[in-house]
Amino acid sequence: DIQMTQSPSSLSASVGDRVTITCRASQGITNDLGWYQQKPGKAPKRLIYAASNLQSGVPSRFSGSGSGTEFTLTISSLQPEDFATYYCLQHKSYPLTFGQGTKVEIK
Amino acid sequence: EVQLVESGGGLVQPGGSLRLSCAASGFPFSEHYIDWVRQAPGKGLEWVGRIRNKANSYTTEYAASVKGRFTISRDNSKNSLYLQMNSLKTEDTAVYYCTRTIPGSSPDSWGQGTLVTVSS
Repeated sequence: DIQMTQSPSSLSASVGDRVTITCRASQGITNDLGWYQQKPGKAPKRLIYAASNLQSGVPSRFSGSGSGTEFTLTISSLQPEDFATYYCLQHKSYPLTFGQGTKVEIK
Repeated sequence: EVQLVESGGGLVQPGGSLRLSCAASGFPFSEHYIDWVRQAPGKGLEWVGRIRNKANSYTTEYAASVKGRFTISRDNSKNSLYLQMNSLKTEDTAVYYCTRTIPGSSPDSWGQGTLVTVSS
């Protein structure tokens, strides 16, 4: 199985801050990676697909980069509605595996 | 508009069975893969399994934790998907989501989820 190691597990940030979340795959997954945002009590929402493609309707302050084993989700200027938990997901091989999540909290 | 609506969750005793349903609308159902993903209370996301599309003969894949106990099926005439869960364990307690997946991509649309509680 491919292990997805996500860091940090949590962070505190202020509105307007630049935030970076990293996922590392235990083996190469080319660009078969998605990023998701989940708010309490809600279903996850896809933000990024194919590692760097912005999902339609998602604000441009979100961006993704990386290929192979190292991937990054960046929020360029954190907004109040961005406080949530973020997950990466690899779909290169079965079983599909998620990172353990990063909780973004208000500083 | 893509819609996925899960139903069938509830309380079941360990060793029991439950069948979840997912009603899909707003997209060509038979052309897409459908994945089930679950989330135990206060925990992260866990992929459960997948059923592929018509072009891939509706074949299935499962996580090791549920293989042999869970079965995914679909009824394309009803635009519906099913997750048959047998020999349930307390660790199967979770919110179960069905998701739409375009072949070769990651799940892009999610239902609201249905809660399964396995407890005596």
